[in-house]
Amino acid sequence: SQQGEEDPQALSIQEGENATMNCSYKTSINNLQWYRQNSGRGLVHLILIRSNEREKHSGRLRVTLDTSKKSSSLLITASRAADTASYFCATDGYSGAGSYQLTFGKGTKLSVIP
Amino acid sequence: SQTIHQWPATLVQPVGSPLSLECTVEGTSNPNLYWYRQAAGRGLQLLFYSVGIGQISSEVPQNLSASRPQDRQFILSSKKLLLSDSGFYLCAWSGNRDRADEKLFFGSGTQLSVL
Repeated sequence: SQQGEEDPQALSIQEGENATMNCSYKTSINNLQWYRQNSGRGLVHLILIRSNEREKHSGRLRVTLDTSKKSSSLLITASRAADTASYFCATDGYSGAGSYQLTFGKGTKLSVIP
Repeated sequence: SQTIHQWPATLVQPVGSPLSLECTVEGTSNPNLYWYRQAAGRGLQLLFYSVGIGQISSEVPQNLSASRPQDRQFILSSKKLLLSDSGFYLCAWSGNRDRADEKLFFGSGTQLSVL
């Protein structure tokens, strides 16, 4: 099954700086999603980008998708201490049983230092 | 609005003991339901999913089983826990698994420690 791989595994920045996380995947996709997870909590959906889209914005989030390179990036601008969390990309995959599943990467752990 | 409840939040169990984790969804009908496990520092591993009552698909052969006795209830069980069953268990739901653009809504998770 295909799986997104985030890079870097961990990222530490100062408050106010931008944070960029990357995701690479192996096979073709219909869409790619980004999720956030605060420590010890469930994941929260951030943004979905479809395979025919190249860039998408949501507030301070900017996601790009390059299907030719099979990669995506998540940019958080003007980071805040509250952005400290792990960020996961998830790719869809046809299960072969008439339905789709999401496969998650291992995540990037972002620490924003006040 | 839809909400998902998962309990307990933490659980410490001895090896060989049974397990039952419960997840319920409110505010929607006929959701697709999922159980994921997250080992420390690793990504999410899909364990089970269900598209309807009594319909369970297993993704990974293991010591665990799942059941869906009601439309919005999903239960993860084990008859005898192993040390390797330790981890963070997450329940999630989505609206329609036949669409490729459905996002998942997660519960708050259960931290299971098997000692």
